[in-house]
Amino acid sequence: EPEVTQTPSHQVTQMGQEVILRCVPISNHLYFYWYRQILGQKVEFLVSFYNNEISEKSEIFDDQFSVERPDGSNFTLKIRSTKLEDSAMYFCASSEQGAGTGELFFGEGSRLTVL
Amino acid sequence: AQSVSQHNHHVILSEAASLELGCNYSYGGTVNLFWYVQYPGQHLQLLLKYFSGDPLVKGIKGFEAEFIKSKFSFNLRKPSVQWSDTAEYFCAVNGGSYIPTFGRGTSLIVHP
Repeated sequence: EPEVTQTPSHQVTQMGQEVILRCVPISNHLYFYWYRQILGQKVEFLVSFYNNEISEKSEIFDDQFSVERPDGSNFTLKIRSTKLEDSAMYFCASSEQGAGTGELFFGEGSRLTVL
Repeated sequence: AQSVSQHNHHVILSEAASLELGCNYSYGGTVNLFWYVQYPGQHLQLLLKYFSGDPLVKGIKGFEAEFIKSKFSFNLRKPSVQWSDTAEYFCAVNGGSYIPTFGRGTSLIVHP
């Protein structure tokens, strides 16, 4: 069964460092998403990506964050100058259709710990 | 803006007990509703979804959910839980935005 894969599963970084979280969406999917979940809180939408550009982003997704699909298979989330409050589980998802009509398929998540 | 509330944050049950997890949403228009489950160490996966039609939706593994528009609710039910149902359950809604908004999740522990 095709699945979304994420690396790394856990990353520990120092405050102020840059982090890149990687995702390989399901191959025939066209829509890609990043969500995050701070421990004990809601799963929060960060950004969606379609046709090589951001289609929607939340208030959380400020200039500190960026996404890229560098090579047609990977979908990356870059967090510049990490802060303590960026510690969270980051989930990548993809869908064949837009999220409104189709099911989102999630990866297992990347846990980011900022010290 | 759309929002989702899951009132039960932690639920502990014995096997064979019945389950109902509450989900209420806030949005005045037409909505699509979802329940996702995350088993320990695994990814979020879709349990069931409601787009239109019969408000009683059946999903995988014996789960069902009922959309009650007047109550803005989409509660998840299972008549008899098993130890393997131990997981985190997330309700999600999309209405005005096509991006699903998730609740904070309910942790379910089923004792054998």
